[in-house]
Amino acid sequence: AQKITQTQPGMFVQEKEAVTLDCTYDTSDQSYGLFWYKQPSSGEMIFLIYQGSYDEQNATEGRYSLNFQKARKSANLVISASQLGDSAMYFCAMREENSGGSNYKLTFGKGTLLTVNP
Amino acid sequence: DSGVTQTPKHLITATGQRVTLRCSPRSGDLSVYWYQQSLDQGLQFLIQYYNGEERAKGNILERFSAQQFPDLHSELNLSSLELGDSALYFCASSVEGRGPETQYFGPGTRLLVL
Repeated sequence: AQKITQTQPGMFVQEKEAVTLDCTYDTSDQSYGLFWYKQPSSGEMIFLIYQGSYDEQNATEGRYSLNFQKARKSANLVISASQLGDSAMYFCAMREENSGGSNYKLTFGKGTLLTVNP
Repeated sequence: DSGVTQTPKHLITATGQRVTLRCSPRSGDLSVYWYQQSLDQGLQFLIQYYNGEERAKGNILERFSAQQFPDLHSELNLSSLELGDSALYFCASSVEGRGPETQYFGPGTRLLVL
């Protein structure tokens, strides 16, 4: 089974509107971290936002917020007031703390391609 | 700019050849991770080093190897290259490689095997 599922291969949004990118995850760990990264067409991976499994508040970073619903195992990214420069691929990732904490790899979803229209 | 540097940015080589990809982590980061991004496999973890020692291994082929040097830079060696090794290879770094840490990615090395 996939550990990170991003069900939206592509999304379109009008400039200045808000958009939600979906992410669901699967883990039996109690302690884990959820991340969102942005990959523009130039290829680099840009860290956007982090949510820990024990964090009670939803994470926010500027125009980015993470809608964390632990019971539903979802960690959706909300981008407010979309800008043309937000057009990119967005990846949800999870870090599990298992095996005695010896492996902190990130497991990525397949990504969502966001296009912001003027 | 994440502070992680990778060289070269682009690499074109032929099947059967060997290449070395280099990564310098952010100042103060002790842990380095290597990831491969390809169209069919997506983003996959290859290997992690912490302060010079291998800490975790993922889907890394036997033809691939890596090491982290005393100055904490890391190299990923890819040998007997095949067409399917064409991909974007990322290095990421974090402070200690454990706990609630963010991994910061370098710009990647785009490898094309012809």
